[in-house]
Amino acid sequence: AQKITQTQPGMFVQEKEAVTLDCTYDTSDQSYGLFWYKQPSSGEMIFLIYQGSYDEQNATEGRYSLNFQKARKSANLVISASQLGDSAMYFCAMRPHRGGNDMRFGAGTRLTVKP
Amino acid sequence: DTGVSQNPRHKITKRGQNVTFRCDPISEHNRLYWYRQTLGQGPEFLTYFQNEAQLEKSRLLSDRFSAERPKGSFSTLEIQRTEQGDSAMYLCASSLGRGRGSSPLHFGNGTRLTVT
Repeated sequence: AQKITQTQPGMFVQEKEAVTLDCTYDTSDQSYGLFWYKQPSSGEMIFLIYQGSYDEQNATEGRYSLNFQKARKSANLVISASQLGDSAMYFCAMRPHRGGNDMRFGAGTRLTVKP
Repeated sequence: DTGVSQNPRHKITKRGQNVTFRCDPISEHNRLYWYRQTLGQGPEFLTYFQNEAQLEKSRLLSDRFSAERPKGSFSTLEIQRTEQGDSAMYLCASSLGRGRGSSPLHFGNGTRLTVT
């Protein structure tokens, strides 16, 4: 069974600084994808970034980058140059590349950006 | 393309009543997912369709829950004999079915159910 762990219920960061949100996972699958989603207070889930388990380079999307350490089974999200609009819940998720393809989510981290 | 659409946005019902939610996925997406999210938690997987076939159901989906996706287009999620523990946000998502599972899920805005 897959398990996603986000150990930081809440994080604070000063505007314009970088912040790292932690995610570890447990799976017996060899091939899988890792995703991060943002959920603002309005409720919609917004896809941010994807990392495949066989990708050799860490994924980047604008101010978002994924620090992927496969041996440690961690996929931390790094947000650079934080903005007030980054305040939201952030969810790490994993999806195996085989079979059912259902995506499992962690419990989330609430990020607050301070001015 | 307007994204994933869910109706209604909010539903208040009395315990014991039946409710039905609708999800219209992104038109070219052949996969459709239902999730449930309670306050302060991540989405929990309920069930998933590829086209009209329901391929996987979570054990969270008791026999009071049923989902359909006739003709592989929109989907409905019905909850019979609602209980207060069913109060949650019900999220629908869709994705493309090709590739090695790298397609992200695109979520709707959800239906918030309150059972009184």
